[in-house]
Amino acid sequence: SAVISQKPSRDICQRGTSLTIQCQVDSQVTMMFWYRQQPGQSLTLIATANQGSEATYESGFVIDKFPISRPNLTFSTLTVSNMSPEDSSIYLCSVFTDSFVEQYFGPGTRLTVT
Amino acid sequence: DAKTTQPNSMESNEEEPVHLPCNHSTISGTDYIHWYRQLPSQGPEYVIHGLTSNVNNRMASLAIAEDRKSSTLILHRATLRDAAVYYCILRDGVGGGSNYKLTFGKGTLLTVNP
Repeated sequence: SAVISQKPSRDICQRGTSLTIQCQVDSQVTMMFWYRQQPGQSLTLIATANQGSEATYESGFVIDKFPISRPNLTFSTLTVSNMSPEDSSIYLCSVFTDSFVEQYFGPGTRLTVT
Repeated sequence: DAKTTQPNSMESNEEEPVHLPCNHSTISGTDYIHWYRQLPSQGPEYVIHGLTSNVNNRMASLAIAEDRKSSTLILHRATLRDAAVYYCILRDGVGGGSNYKLTFGKGTLLTVNP
């Protein structure tokens, strides 16, 4: 299994600013994923982050808006840049364990942009 | 990605069995059927997965149709804690990288009545 923590758990930010969300895993994992869940909606994959390589972004998401770092096998950050109210969402990080069967999710970061 | 279809919502009574259906008529031979659930204010959690045969674990059972075009998640005795959104997801079991990502649909909101 994997235990994932995220910081901050929630934040209220002004439009035009940026917020960096941290994701810490209690074990080394190869693949990490960042998801967004807009209010009342399902989860949408933003990008896949592997250690030592550039993140792979899904259609509709770009690196300039959502830069991701993956400095080691237990940690990743997602930055939401130049925020607008439409970025108000819950952001979740997720990992596979080595078995690549079960995917574990963090508790999420609830972001409100005013 | 192969698509799944689930009812938007279902209701059950506590301690009664619950059968959550999922249609996936375009499933490919290498797609595994995964179920996740998302409890209120939490990240999703893995429930069960299968390929062709029915599967049981401590949380639930997964019944897969012989033609694999549909499946049913069975909660044998629903509890109030089982109230959640249940997601049926197809995931390619071949290869790595992007094949491991989960694509979430809208899921089924399960309400459990005391």
